[in-house]
Amino acid sequence: GEDVEQSLFLSVREGDSSVINCTYTDSSSTYLYWYKQEPGAGLQLLTYIFSNMDMKQDQRLTVLLNKKDKHLSLRIADTQTGDSAIYFCAESPGSSNTGKLIFGQGTTLQVKP
Amino acid sequence: DVKVTQSSRYLVKRTGEKVFLECVQDMDHENMFWYRQDPGLGLRLIYFSYDVKMKEKGDIPEGYSVSREKKERFSLILESASTNQTSMYLCASNLLAGVEQFFGPGTRLTVL
Repeated sequence: GEDVEQSLFLSVREGDSSVINCTYTDSSSTYLYWYKQEPGAGLQLLTYIFSNMDMKQDQRLTVLLNKKDKHLSLRIADTQTGDSAIYFCAESPGSSNTGKLIFGQGTTLQVKP
Repeated sequence: DVKVTQSSRYLVKRTGEKVFLECVQDMDHENMFWYRQDPGLGLRLIYFSYDVKMKEKGDIPEGYSVSREKKERFSLILESASTNQTSMYLCASNLLAGVEQFFGPGTRLTVL
């Protein structure tokens, strides 16, 4: 079945780059997503990448997709304390046309001043 | 501005009570979803609905039911709440096969 895996915790110093990794199993996924959840809030879409792309850059965010290894990463350049949050990787299964998403466990990013 | 609202941010109920969690979206979205979020487990899909009166089970439907009488409103029902249903519940919506799911702020439910 479909599955998405992430490490649970990452700690970085302010100003460093953060890299959050994710692996998924469904090779027919059409889109892959990164959502951010700040404390006490719901999830907000950070960025997404279409499955035929290798890379997407949006200001401080870089998404890399390795389809062969089914590996997705999110790099945050110049990490700030405001980036402290839980980051969820998600895929839209190719078998589904209902807009359904499969989420990973979430990676808690701690940014130390 | 798109909006998904949930009826309560915090809720405390007793074991055996019937609990209603309500979600409303103002974007005319066809799809609506209920997830529960637990530390280390991420988001798990309980139920989703792709049209009025239509529903499908997600990955963990046991102990829950849902109702979608109007397009904008999707209710999650715990017929007889149990302590293992203490969790954060998140509602989301999107267009049919839309790219982005829009989330509500969540309801933190505690069952004593």
